[in-house]
Amino acid sequence: ETGVTQTPRHLVMGMTNKKSLKCEQHLGHNAMYWYKQSAKKPLELMFVYSLEERVENNSVPSRFSPECPNSSHLFLHLHTLQPEDSALYLCASSIGTSGTYNEQFFGPGTRLTVL
Amino acid sequence: RKEVEQDPGPFNVPEGATVAFNCTYSNSASQSFFWYRQDCRKEPKLLMSVYSSGNEDGRFTAQLNRASQYISLLIRDSKLSDSATYLCVVSPYSGGYQKVTFGTGTKLQVIP
Repeated sequence: ETGVTQTPRHLVMGMTNKKSLKCEQHLGHNAMYWYKQSAKKPLELMFVYSLEERVENNSVPSRFSPECPNSSHLFLHLHTLQPEDSALYLCASSIGTSGTYNEQFFGPGTRLTVL
Repeated sequence: RKEVEQDPGPFNVPEGATVAFNCTYSNSASQSFFWYRQDCRKEPKLLMSVYSSGNEDGRFTAQLNRASQYISLLIRDSKLSDSATYLCVVSPYSGGYQKVTFGTGTKLQVIP
């Protein structure tokens, strides 16, 4: 496979469930990102990992817990979510080294519905 | 003032028309600029980076105006397949990992 892949593509969960979103990049990149996209809102950056270290955490509620076991994989663990957390969750990666523009490449997203 | 502002549109243009979008940004220290396109219910895809001297890729031309703090995207000879939402993206960094800010997007509808 090439590019950035995400699983599952669709997820419906209750507020008491625990689930995880998975992202994998096959581009040899060093930085990975989680974004949330809600209707009529711009993409919101949630977390950034650079070389497997979390470097940004944009005041995201603790019910979202990221994990980056290696530079190719990124997870978002979800627990006790709220209906307003329903959104498209996008993973992205970039080269992550200095001296380049570092465009980000996105996965197809996981469309999450919280009941 | 929002960090990145775009006219949400929609811009409805006939095939073959030329259309231009602007995007203003508030952080004068911004270093990197991009245009992405996003089709309905799909992920954003990089359209082009925006360089200081301006750059062109086929029918698409991007310009940066640092003095007035805006970037622009010009699409010539619009095709039906150009219909999408165009996202302006700005970053204070020129390299390394990118803490970027996305605009809300400008919707373009090319009509036959």
